Amino acid sequence: EAGVTQFPSHSVIEKGQTVTLRCDPISGHDNLYWYRRVMGKEIKFLLHFVKESKQDESGMPNNRFLAERTGGTYSTLKVQPAELEDSGVYFCASSQRDTQYFGPGTRLTVL
Amino acid sequence: AQSVSQHNHHVILSEAASLELGCNYSYGGTVNLFWYVQYPGQHLQLLLKYFSGDPLVKGIKGFEAEFIKSKFSFNLRKPSVQWSDTAEYFCAVNPEFVGGAQKLVFGQGTRLTINP
Repeated sequence: EAGVTQFPSHSVIEKGQTVTLRCDPISGHDNLYWYRRVMGKEIKFLLHFVKESKQDESGMPNNRFLAERTGGTYSTLKVQPAELEDSGVYFCASSQRDTQYFGPGTRLTVL
Repeated sequence: AQSVSQHNHHVILSEAASLELGCNYSYGGTVNLFWYVQYPGQHLQLLLKYFSGDPLVKGIKGFEAEFIKSKFSFNLRKPSVQWSDTAEYFCAVNPEFVGGAQKLVFGQGTRLTINP
């Protein structure tokens, strides 16, 4: 069974540009989560999808971040426009019930 | 504020030493507890989890953790570490909210270095 995959693994962009991160969950997992780890800090929750619906987006930092989950399958997280403080590792996780399985993360560097 | 605390940011041990990594949380209600590990260059992997029942849980690779409700703690242990245990370890809590939100709240992580 394939695990959670994320693309790209690393993205370097300039301040003001747009970046879109993608996450493919484990097949059959209705729950999909986005987390972020800024350098030196803890991993923080961003949002939670159940199928295509946003269950909880309380962790989204501001309206420059837009998450979608097309048809309840893969998800994208768009940052527009990117700021320096958006740099970090963005993790995606999926679950069927109580245990979340994580992808390898996307390292975003904003210059 | 509700949070998860890992007391040690960086732990350095020699092979065969015993390991205990501390984790405390501040949520008062029912919680699910997890330890995840991230080996160099790899993704976060689940080591073990506690939902209910026996407070001493065993995970993969010889790790175990003990849930002590009165101390709000979920410490990770291993009796004899190996060089391959070098990794970053994360304690995480899933507070059970009414409504089913299942977000994880993580501690800061503990970087473990095992010297051969």
